[in-house]
Amino acid sequence: RKEVEQDPGPFNVPEGATVAFNCTYSNSASQSFFWYRQDCRKEPKLLMSVYSSGNEDGRFTAQLNRASQYISLLIRDSKLSDSATYLCVVNSVGGGSNYKLTFGKGTLLTVNP
Amino acid sequence: SQTIHQWPATLVQPVGSPLSLECTVEGTSNPNLYWYRQAAGRGLQLLFYSVGIGQISSEVPQNLSASRPQDRQFILSSKKLLLSDSGFYLCAWRGKGHAGHEQYFGPGTRLTVT
Repeated sequence: RKEVEQDPGPFNVPEGATVAFNCTYSNSASQSFFWYRQDCRKEPKLLMSVYSSGNEDGRFTAQLNRASQYISLLIRDSKLSDSATYLCVVNSVGGGSNYKLTFGKGTLLTVNP
Repeated sequence: SQTIHQWPATLVQPVGSPLSLECTVEGTSNPNLYWYRQAAGRGLQLLFYSVGIGQISSEVPQNLSASRPQDRQFILSSKKLLLSDSGFYLCAWRGKGHAGHEQYFGPGTRLTVT
């Protein structure tokens, strides 16, 4: 099982749609979870951290299910500006890896007018 | 606030030439620093990380090396570039002293080896 695995995508949705991204991680000892957003030919930027209780930031909702080792990101009322690649990120665990993050390959979202 | 700089923004180099990419962070002290590479259509690959001056950990054997001569300066080098070294090179930092593991990225250097 890959350390962090995401929906391969791509997703093409109309403006106003709700879109969900799914991610699974392999190490049950992982403690920190994030969603990053990467625009074309730009650096990844932190979108939001993911907490056990779930968290919401405007149109974005992140959920964590530790038992299933599953993370999700829901975007409601999608905008053209939401078009980007969404990266699922988990902290590495074990040995000297406490300083490292493991990135999923990302899921490309295109929101169409 | 913290900012991270990388230069150059783009670079075209012939095979066999040397490489030096620089990353500097402002507004924080003693950060963890990271070099990643993102090849076309692929995910982020961690190359090196550093928890302090002169302390470098290598993740992937290759013809690249890293150095941290100052607290907020991280340099990626190669003596002889290969075609496979082409990619988007990203530097990132993470602050110590807080529980979160989130990292913040610089704008990147797009390297094309010809």
